[in-house]
Amino acid sequence: QQQVKQSPQSLIVQKGGISIINCAYENTAFDYFPWYQQFPGKGPALLIAIRPDVSEKKEGRFTISFNKSAKQFSLHIMDSQPGDSATYFCAASRYGNKLVFGAGTILRVKS
Amino acid sequence: NAGVTQTPKFQVLKTGQSMTLQCAQDMNHNSMYWYRQDPGMGLRLIYYSASEGTTDKGEVPNGYNVSRLNKREFSLRLESAAPSQTSVYFCASSETANSGNTIYFGEGSWLTVV
Repeated sequence: QQQVKQSPQSLIVQKGGISIINCAYENTAFDYFPWYQQFPGKGPALLIAIRPDVSEKKEGRFTISFNKSAKQFSLHIMDSQPGDSATYFCAASRYGNKLVFGAGTILRVKS
Repeated sequence: NAGVTQTPKFQVLKTGQSMTLQCAQDMNHNSMYWYRQDPGMGLRLIYYSASEGTTDKGEVPNGYNVSRLNKREFSLRLESAAPSQTSVYFCASSETANSGNTIYFGEGSWLTVV
């Protein structure tokens, strides 16, 4: 069974709009929640990450919101740009730094 | 800086053939990983090596073996390839195996088994 569930599978957003991707997890032992960005033909690259002791983390146009009681976290991309078009993966890990990934969201930002 | 380098980039195998995917990192990292990526399933951990001299199974180890040759290199071997092993394979590394250490990925190896 998938330990990290990600939605939506795909997302189309207008340039300048807000992109929102959601993830839910089951294992309360997870203690690290990163988001990875992947461009076609490339490997995933870390975008932003959060620990469960904070509810929000912002880096530039990218924000993670974390709800520990609901076991959910989300990625918000403000002022979305065509260059943000990529596949986004949420993930979670605990002891051993073994990431468990969501299924991915294909984001397309229309100019 | 090369980071994590994988070879080959593309490979076509016949069912039953064997092959080894090579991976090397130049960041002096202790921990290395092999993931596979399939449509609609994200990335799944095949094997990992927390430190030189140790290896352990991940989520989907069946049909694979690994060797941590030294601190820099971590290879993945398919002994008898099956069509179900058609996938994109990613090698990755992190400074340590502590949760939260950034994991850096290579660019992937596209493997097709016919």
